Amino acid sequence: AQSVTQPDIHITVSEGASLELRCNYSYGATPYLFWYVQSPGQGLQLLLKYFSGDTLVQGIKGFEAEFKRSQSSFNLRKPSVHWSDAAEYFCAVGEMKTSYDKVIFGPGTSLSVIP
Amino acid sequence: EAGVAQSPRYKIIEKRQSVAFWCNPISGHATLYWYQQILGQGPKLLIQFQNNGVVDDSQLPKDRFSAERLKGVDSTLKIQPAKLEDSAVYLCASSLDGSGGPAFFGQGTRLTVV
Repeated sequence: AQSVTQPDIHITVSEGASLELRCNYSYGATPYLFWYVQSPGQGLQLLLKYFSGDTLVQGIKGFEAEFKRSQSSFNLRKPSVHWSDAAEYFCAVGEMKTSYDKVIFGPGTSLSVIP
Repeated sequence: EAGVAQSPRYKIIEKRQSVAFWCNPISGHATLYWYQQILGQGPKLLIQFQNNGVVDDSQLPKDRFSAERLKGVDSTLKIQPAKLEDSAVYLCASSLDGSGGPAFFGQGTRLTVV
């Protein structure tokens, strides 16, 4: 069975600084990988996903993530953080079943942005 | 395009009472998911429907939780009887088909059991 760890429970960055959120997964085969964001009072929103091909994935809101098989990682990055990026970020891994994909979420990383 | 609709937004009940949540996915989406999100944790999949059939309910506490998706469109999740540990946000999500995970989430229903 697949699993996801997000080593950082909470991160604080200054507005305009770069951001990297860590994600490590455990899965026997090539996984599907996702990043979602949950802003206060909002539902979860899909930022980006990796299925295959180019290991650097571009998403919405200026985010990108890089799949590194050797490190079992899928870290999320943004070159310059905006105050509106303050939110909870969830990494997720998908396991391919016979007729559907089962997606398991990590525990989340809370991001605070200092003006 | 309308998003995933959920109701109610908030619900407070006493333990041992029953409660039901409703979800209407995006039109044309075959796959519907119910997740439970306990405060401070990531969402946990309770049940996944493909059209009106269940493809995964391995983490659904079937002694107290039930869900149905009649006609492959909207869905209802029920808890009977509720326990204190059921206090959580219940999220509904949908996607076009079973591949690629949940694409769109509703705002969720926050349940408090007292």
